[in-house]
Amino acid sequence: GDSVTQMEGPVTLSEEAFLTINCTYTATGYPSLFWYVQYPGEGLQLLLKATKADDKGSNKGFEATYRKETTSFHLEKGSVQVSDSAVYFCALSLMNRDDKIIFGKGTRLHILP
Amino acid sequence: DTAVSQTPKYLVTQMGNDKSIKCEQNLGHDTMYWYKQDSKKFLKIMFSYNNKELIINETVPNRFSPKSPDKAHLNLHINSLELGDSAVYFCASSPRGMNTEAFFGQGTRLTVV
Repeated sequence: GDSVTQMEGPVTLSEEAFLTINCTYTATGYPSLFWYVQYPGEGLQLLLKATKADDKGSNKGFEATYRKETTSFHLEKGSVQVSDSAVYFCALSLMNRDDKIIFGKGTRLHILP
Repeated sequence: DTAVSQTPKYLVTQMGNDKSIKCEQNLGHDTMYWYKQDSKKFLKIMFSYNNKELIINETVPNRFSPKSPDKAHLNLHINSLELGDSAVYFCASSPRGMNTEAFFGQGTRLTVV
């Protein structure tokens, strides 16, 4: 079935370090791919998205490229800040089929000052 | 203006009670969802409704009953609450038929004691 696998956390980095959170997916069809972020005590917010192969989503210094050949959508940021500490979820949607968004298990990110 | 709002934000109740969580969206979306987030932050879809019609029911105990009086509202009623129902419940909405993102409410933290 359709699924999303992302690296397990927690991930702890120092401020200004480079960040990569890996995400791979399995889907029958052509999904859209998303990264959501959940700050402590809050709901999920869309961070970025890509709807077709080779698209790059970007927002707030974060980037991810839709790689169909490797079925991946890795999240990267060149220089993280303490305020980036949150839980990050990779997700896919196949809305044309059964209106479902499937989430990975989330990766908790801690940034140390 | 809050796009997806759910009430209450916190709910503490005793085992065996019946409770409801309300959700409203003012985005004009056709599809609404309920997700359950456990203590490890894992997000699992519970229900999906499109234009008041149930689309997805993901092996949720029948103590959980969604109700959609109109396409802007999707309420969740839970009968005979159990300790294991303690979690954060998120409502979300999205346009149908498009590979686009879902918009989430702030969550309802349910604690069953």
